[in-house]
Amino acid sequence: DADVTQTPRNRITKTGKRIMLECSQTKGHDRMYWYRQDPGLGLRLIYYSFDVKDINKGEISDGYSVSRQAQAKFSLSLESAIPNQTALYFCATSVGPNNEKLFFGSGTQLSVL
Amino acid sequence: AQSVAQPEDQVNVAEGNPLTVKCTYSVSGNPYLFWYVQYPNRGLQFLLKYITGDNLVKGSYGFEAEFNKSQTSFHLKKPSALVSDSALYFCAVRDTGGFKTIFGAGTRLFVKA
Repeated sequence: DADVTQTPRNRITKTGKRIMLECSQTKGHDRMYWYRQDPGLGLRLIYYSFDVKDINKGEISDGYSVSRQAQAKFSLSLESAIPNQTALYFCATSVGPNNEKLFFGSGTQLSVL
Repeated sequence: AQSVAQPEDQVNVAEGNPLTVKCTYSVSGNPYLFWYVQYPNRGLQFLLKYITGDNLVKGSYGFEAEFNKSQTSFHLKKPSALVSDSALYFCAVRDTGGFKTIFGAGTRLFVKA
């Protein structure tokens, strides 16, 4: 079983719809992150959380929200999806401040029509 | 603000030849530097990191990277490329006082048999 699991793997939705992407991890890490990947732009940070009570905005948080339901679960929501949110979304985890190696899920390909 | 530049969108190399994938960075303070690799339909995988110490860092799959503080570079290298090394490579940086890992745009490596 994967250590960082994202669901769904693929999702097609329409403009204006609410959608949630889910991430769960079995690594026991406190820190969790959401990134989006766009061709030619690399990965950009949307939100990050250092523990259940800590949520922080990243570079491109507008149009997104997150929820850290438990240490192991970190979900990303698009309240009203728009076409330029079409991207590959990655969840990642890390251990802590002195070991920032990131562990990634397999990604969710989201298409907003 | 911290940033990472990967000046080449694509690198082509023949199998058996040495390869270099370039990365330069800008960060306040001492940097934590990383290389990740992404194979098709997969999440990113950690290759290696530089925190402190020797400027030449060895990582997974025979890859190594050289930290050059004066040139603010962290180029990825391998003495003899394999076809299976073909993938998308990302350089990333985190400053020691920060909380986020910032990624470059990625360089696609093609190794031809």
